Amino acid sequence: IAGITQAPTSQILAAGRRMTLRCTQDMRHNAMYWYRQDLGLGLRLIHYSNTAGTTGKGEVPDGYSVSRANTDDFPLTLASAVPSQTSVYFCASSEEGTAPIYEQYFGPGTRLTVT
Amino acid sequence: DQQVKQNSPSLSVQEGRISILNCDYTNSMFDYFLWYKKYPAEGPTFLISISSIKDKNEDGRFTVFLNKSAKHLSLHIVPSQPGDSAVYFCAASEGYTGNQFYFGTGTSLTVIP
Repeated sequence: IAGITQAPTSQILAAGRRMTLRCTQDMRHNAMYWYRQDLGLGLRLIHYSNTAGTTGKGEVPDGYSVSRANTDDFPLTLASAVPSQTSVYFCASSEEGTAPIYEQYFGPGTRLTVT
Repeated sequence: DQQVKQNSPSLSVQEGRISILNCDYTNSMFDYFLWYKKYPAEGPTFLISISSIKDKNEDGRFTVFLNKSAKHLSLHIVPSQPGDSAVYFCAASEGYTGNQFYFGTGTSLTVIP
């Protein structure tokens, strides 16, 4: 049972390059999320998706885009990476995205360094 | 501006004693709170939650207390074990939606054998 997988585990990326972080879950959860974790700031929500075909903006969406073509996959794209996007990125999923609240299950993270 | 704050970046406790991790929030509309535990190189894992209609929720060695008037919650771990050494994040949400969780900055707990 994999739960949530993320790829790559880590990446060094030149500024201005395009990058897609992959996230796949096998729990058939409806809702999925992308967070970034930065020292001193905790985890901040980038984008979310309540169900396949829908997405929404979180707290820090600028510079990122997402798509949700099916239930299992929720890729996060950086169209033109900048050094401030250096962070650890976590994908998460939950059974539902609206009431009542269900706890979120997190992937192992992707460590991205933009140089 | 950080809406959920964990003012203690780190905490050390002797094995067998109580660990108390604190969390403060500023948004009075928050009504659902969770604690997550994170080991190095792993994603956070859910630990315990509490809704604003309660002031206490207990699960084994873990108890979360909520003081709505003070906008404060705390996580008690009794007795503390070396395996509890991890970073603990509190998170809060407004309304019964799972979309927008606001996380604190985390407290690194070390349980000394």
